[in-house]
Amino acid sequence: EQLLESGGGLVQPGGSLRLSCAASGFTFSSYAMSWVRQAPGKGLEWVSSISASSGSTDYADSVKGRFTISRDNSKKTLYLQMNTLRAEDTAVYYCAKDSADWVRGWFDPWGQGTQVTVSS
Amino acid sequence: DIQMTQSPSSVSASVGDRVSITCRASQDISSWLAWYQQKPGKAPKLLIYAASSLQSGVPPRFSGSRSGTDFTLTISSLQPEDFATYYCQQTNSFPITFGQGTRLEIK
Repeated sequence: EQLLESGGGLVQPGGSLRLSCAASGFTFSSYAMSWVRQAPGKGLEWVSSISASSGSTDYADSVKGRFTISRDNSKKTLYLQMNTLRAEDTAVYYCAKDSADWVRGWFDPWGQGTQVTVSS
Repeated sequence: DIQMTQSPSSVSASVGDRVSITCRASQDISSWLAWYQQKPGKAPKLLIYAASSLQSGVPPRFSGSRSGTDFTLTISSLQPEDFATYYCQQTNSFPITFGQGTRLEIK
């Protein structure tokens, strides 16, 4: 089982980015997926989760209304559309596989992470 | 939101020592708790889920327990590869929240 994130980079405040997470080695369409971030030198912060069928999504209050999680099961890919980015969104963003088709919260494995830096 | 409070924030120990890390939930989360290990520059790794279930492939020196809203991760005999930061996580309700982390250092 492997997850590979991409799409990170440097963006100005107010800008947008779309992160992708390509999955392999498991039946992607059978598992919920999540995004978790880690600001420099800080702990882990859950960002968003989506069920296997895309029927259910949840967001942290800090990103609600600005970020959108989605998935394409035919492409085995998870996405995070990030709009109206702020300096406090600067972090390494990890995608993670859940243990069930609904968000049970047992995240394993995680991707290697992609760096997002919001700065002018 | 459910707050997860880990203690200690850091601990120094030697190879072969027994170490315990505690996580307290601000309200009842039943057994909806996981423990993760993170090494510098690496992604977190799931160790324990459902408070006391050992994730496949994790050495049995790791164990988890629950007493009410208090949860404990115990490493029975520290190995060199165990020096890392450990996080608890509650998944009882959204938003999913993590503890602030416990850094396990070599004495």
